[in-house]
Amino acid sequence: LAKTTQPISMDSYEGQEVNITCSHNNIATNDYITWYQQFPSQGPRFIIQGYKTKVTNEVASLFIPADRKSSTLSLPRVSLSDTAVYYCLVGDRVQTGANNLFFGTGTRLTVIP
Amino acid sequence: DAGVIQSPRHEVTEMGQEVTLRCKPISGHDYLFWYRQTMMRGLELLIYFNNNVPIDDSGMPEDRFSAKMPNASFSTLKIQPSEPRDSAVYFCASSSVPGLAGASYNEQFFGPGTRLTVL
Repeated sequence: LAKTTQPISMDSYEGQEVNITCSHNNIATNDYITWYQQFPSQGPRFIIQGYKTKVTNEVASLFIPADRKSSTLSLPRVSLSDTAVYYCLVGDRVQTGANNLFFGTGTRLTVIP
Repeated sequence: DAGVIQSPRHEVTEMGQEVTLRCKPISGHDYLFWYRQTMMRGLELLIYFNNNVPIDDSGMPEDRFSAKMPNASFSTLKIQPSEPRDSAVYFCASSSVPGLAGASYNEQFFGPGTRLTVL
């Protein structure tokens, strides 16, 4: 059973801010929200993780509303090199079962010149 | 650290042959994961180990698939006999428990993958 729902694909022009939203209506109290990025012909790589409110790092920001039933990954001023698949995962901070590790098909972001 | 190492990077074989994929995790990591990626199904977890012990193999598709981790620095995923529908990219990943080994999150580090084609 999928724990998250995200759009299959998105297009954006260079220089724009991109927001990818993920729904996780059944998120549990101990669950964290984690985003990964995958470039073509490479394995996924960790981008950001959060529990509530807002988290920011050098790559992206993660916005989580108070009810935590959704989250939004924000990529500021995207470039062509941000073209990738983005995965939203929900689960315990410590792996306790395969349900925590559902990647699915992710959101394919295409940045257009 | 060289990161997660997988071999071979590409494998082409004929239906019915045995295929063995290899993985060397990052030193000090307690967890090792095997994933399969296809266009149709995305990235699927097959099995994962904790301290060399298989914890959850519910994602292993059939008895034709088996995985072992004889020590902390090596794991194999074997398919015997292989079938055309097994064609996919197979990823190995490793991670450590948050708070240990300096890790802040349960970040998984992925290898470059093995692209398997079964004819």
